[in-house]
Amino acid sequence: EPEVTQTPSHQVTQMGQEVILRCVPISNHLYFYWYRQILGQKVEFLVSFYNNEISEKSEIFDDQFSVERPDGSNFTLKIRSTKLEDSAMYFCASSDQNRGEATNEKLFFGSGTQLSVL
Amino acid sequence: KNEVEQSPQNLTAQEGEFITINCSYSVGISALHWLQQHPGGGIVSLFMLSSGKKKHGRLIATINIQEKHSSLHITASHPRDSAVYICAVSNYGGSQGNLIFGKGTKLSVKP
Repeated sequence: EPEVTQTPSHQVTQMGQEVILRCVPISNHLYFYWYRQILGQKVEFLVSFYNNEISEKSEIFDDQFSVERPDGSNFTLKIRSTKLEDSAMYFCASSDQNRGEATNEKLFFGSGTQLSVL
Repeated sequence: KNEVEQSPQNLTAQEGEFITINCSYSVGISALHWLQQHPGGGIVSLFMLSSGKKKHGRLIATINIQEKHSSLHITASHPRDSAVYICAVSNYGGSQGNLIFGKGTKLSVKP
């Protein structure tokens, strides 16, 4: 089965540093998403991306965050100046449908990047 | 108030038991997702449904739109089913991936 891949699996950084989390979605998918999960808490939506632009974002996704599809395969999440509270597991996901018109379509998740900000 | 509530929070079962996990939501939705999160943290989508019932192997998911309630059933449970099961909903009018997540149900199946 095709899969979404995320790199690195673990990232340690110093507070104030910039980090880039990378994702390679499934090749024919058109819709891309980032989520985060702080340890012990529920998963939270960050942003959705389609046709090379952000289509929706949550309140969490403030000016320190940005997303980009720099080429035909990668989808990146950049955190400009990391804070301690950015420590979390970050998940990327992709789909080829937006509103579930294909009744069997699901989201495909990557295995996550654990970000630790020291 | 949580928009997506799951019960129970924790569930321990003996191998072979029939398991039900419940999810209630308070917002209008376009779809509901059941997800499985493994101990290592990875997330797998089990079902996406907007009405009725879906079945895949030993897993069955149902949804009642009028009652804003969904259930995930596992028949003949096995220790490998041990994981956190998460219910998540796509807001009506939002994109499929703009999800509101429940806190998850931690399932442990003992041999």
